Amino acid sequence: GDSVTQMEGPVTLSEEAFLTINCTYTATGYPSLFWYVQYPGEGLQLLLKATKADDKGSNKGFEATYRKETTSFHLEKGSVQVSDSAVYFCALSQNFGNEKLTFGTGTRLTIIP
Amino acid sequence: EAGVVQSPRYKIIEKKQPVAFWCNPISGHNTLYWYRQNLGQGPELLIRYENEEAVDDSQLPKDRFSAERLKGVDSTLKIQPAELGDSAVYLCASSSPASGTYEQYFGPGTRLTVT
Repeated sequence: GDSVTQMEGPVTLSEEAFLTINCTYTATGYPSLFWYVQYPGEGLQLLLKATKADDKGSNKGFEATYRKETTSFHLEKGSVQVSDSAVYFCALSQNFGNEKLTFGTGTRLTIIP
Repeated sequence: EAGVVQSPRYKIIEKKQPVAFWCNPISGHNTLYWYRQNLGQGPELLIRYENEEAVDDSQLPKDRFSAERLKGVDSTLKIQPAELGDSAVYLCASSSPASGTYEQYFGPGTRLTVT
């Protein structure tokens, strides 16, 4: 079945550092790929998504590119802020997202001033 | 627009007791999902509804779990009897293709502790 492998955490960075959180997947066909974020005390929120190969999703300074050749969807941000501290989940879904989300285990990110 | 509403937010019960969780999706969203999130893990689907129909319940432990969505709007997830291993956060999500995207919107979850 489909699966997502996500960079182990936790990750601690200083403010303004460059962030990469690795995500690779195994799936049949052409799934849609997502990054969800869970801020402390809040529910899961969609951060960005990509629905086909070479698409780049972006939001709030975060970016991820759908790489079918390496089955990857790594999350990047050029300069992190304390407010980016959260748990980040990589996920995939078949049928353009109209089916269940298969999540990775999550990466806890802490940004220190 | 109101988001996905879940209640209760927290529940502590003793093992072998029953428990129920309630979810009200975003208005007009015909697809509703229940996920379970164990500590330190990503959510895993328990059941997916299209309107009143359960279209994917392959991961629902049917010996003790049941769910319903009688009028295609709100939904209830029940566990009877609860076991220690059921301690987790139970998440409800909804989506609608009519919104132009299949984005799933999540509720805040119900944190269940079984003692």
